[in-house]
Amino acid sequence: GENVEQHPSTLSVQEGDSAVIKCTYSDSASNYFPWYKQELGKRPQLIIDIRSNVGEKKDQRIAVTLNKTAKHFSLHITETQPEDSAVYFCAATGTASKLTFGTGTRLQVTL
Amino acid sequence: NAGVMQNPRHLVRRRGQEARLRCSPMKGHSHVYWYRQLPEEGLKFMVYLQKENIIDESGMPKERFSAEFPKEGPSILRIQQVVRGDSAAYFCASSPSARDTGELFFGEGSRLTVL
Repeated sequence: GENVEQHPSTLSVQEGDSAVIKCTYSDSASNYFPWYKQELGKRPQLIIDIRSNVGEKKDQRIAVTLNKTAKHFSLHITETQPEDSAVYFCAATGTASKLTFGTGTRLQVTL
Repeated sequence: NAGVMQNPRHLVRRRGQEARLRCSPMKGHSHVYWYRQLPEEGLKFMVYLQKENIIDESGMPKERFSAEFPKEGPSILRIQQVVRGDSAAYFCASSPSARDTGELFFGEGSRLTVL
């Protein structure tokens, strides 16, 4: 089955700096890669996703890149703000149609 | 359009009791997924169901855990003879179709505490 690894587990940046979170996956058949944001005690919410036919996607301050050859994808947050502080999960899905999540990155944006 | 509804939001059980968690998917969604999240950990897939069918239960423990999604009514995750290690947040998610792999919409979760 699919195995998703995520790094780093914790990330602290100053407000206004950029944050990068990286994930690798094992199943070459995976074709959908979403990123979820989870605030403390809340449900995971989709913030951006990318499909295997696209190398990069951007939505305001958030961007995701995908390298299918190397089987890794990354989340980039620019101009970070305190409200970006949360746990971020990458995920991948392929033929099984179930999402396999990474272990999460706790992002702390300090003033 | 109501989102994914889970209840109860919080459930306390003593060891050996049964826990029943309910999930009503978003309107028009026929696919339901259950995930378990231990404190400070990620989301672990448990089971994927369609109406009256279990599609993939590879993440579900073989004993004490069962899930169903009947023709009428919510999906139910049932944990028999709970143990302290079952304490976790259980999230349900739904999607309109598995063919068009896309966003999973999560409920607010049911937090089980086993005393």
